[in-house]
Amino acid sequence: GAVVSQHPSWVICKSGTSVKIECRSLDFQATTMFWYRQFPKQSLMLMATSNEGSKATYEQGVEKDKFLINHASLTLSTLTVTSAHPEDSSFYICSARDISDDYEQYFGPGTRLTVT
Amino acid sequence: QKEVEQNSGPLSVPEGAIASLNCTYSDRGSQSFFWYRQYSGKSPELIMSIYSNGDKEDGRFTAQLNKASQYVSLLIRDSQPSDSATYLCAVNILFSSGGSYIPTFGRGTSLIVHP
Repeated sequence: GAVVSQHPSWVICKSGTSVKIECRSLDFQATTMFWYRQFPKQSLMLMATSNEGSKATYEQGVEKDKFLINHASLTLSTLTVTSAHPEDSSFYICSARDISDDYEQYFGPGTRLTVT
Repeated sequence: QKEVEQNSGPLSVPEGAIASLNCTYSDRGSQSFFWYRQYSGKSPELIMSIYSNGDKEDGRFTAQLNKASQYVSLLIRDSQPSDSATYLCAVNILFSSGGSYIPTFGRGTSLIVHP
């Protein structure tokens, strides 16, 4: 149980285009999902907290107009990187918190984004 | 700033030894604590969660929590080369502005188990 999927697992896009990443909780409902970014050999950086049916809460320094987050259902959250630039190339990971458990979170497998 | 601190390592132990990973946190009100394992290029995998003072054992893993000292540790017995990874400590910190618990991660400790 507690499986989180992400799609796509990797994506290459051209500078200036937008990329959408999906995060799904497959066998549980998640009121809260988190989006992280991780650069090589660095720690996880929380970008935003996404709550179903409400606006996402972004961490300081994360541009909400560039990283659009939508959490339209209890099993799906999406992150759209708009007008991507090479410096946005990173490993993007989502996690989801089970609606019945306010504490543990389960990570998706991550999406590796390369912007050329 | 509410923080979670870990020694980045690397911690190198021989196969079969006990690996001891440590973590301290600054928010005295924290109630839930987690250890994740992350292999290079992969996303974190939950190993242990602990909520009460004392020890919690699961197979070769033991998590230890001391809220008075704001300290949580992970012991790995009979370490195997396959345990070589980065171990992340995470603490759920209550953010009063939103009234929700936000997971805060340490930078991770790199563990190397050599044959």
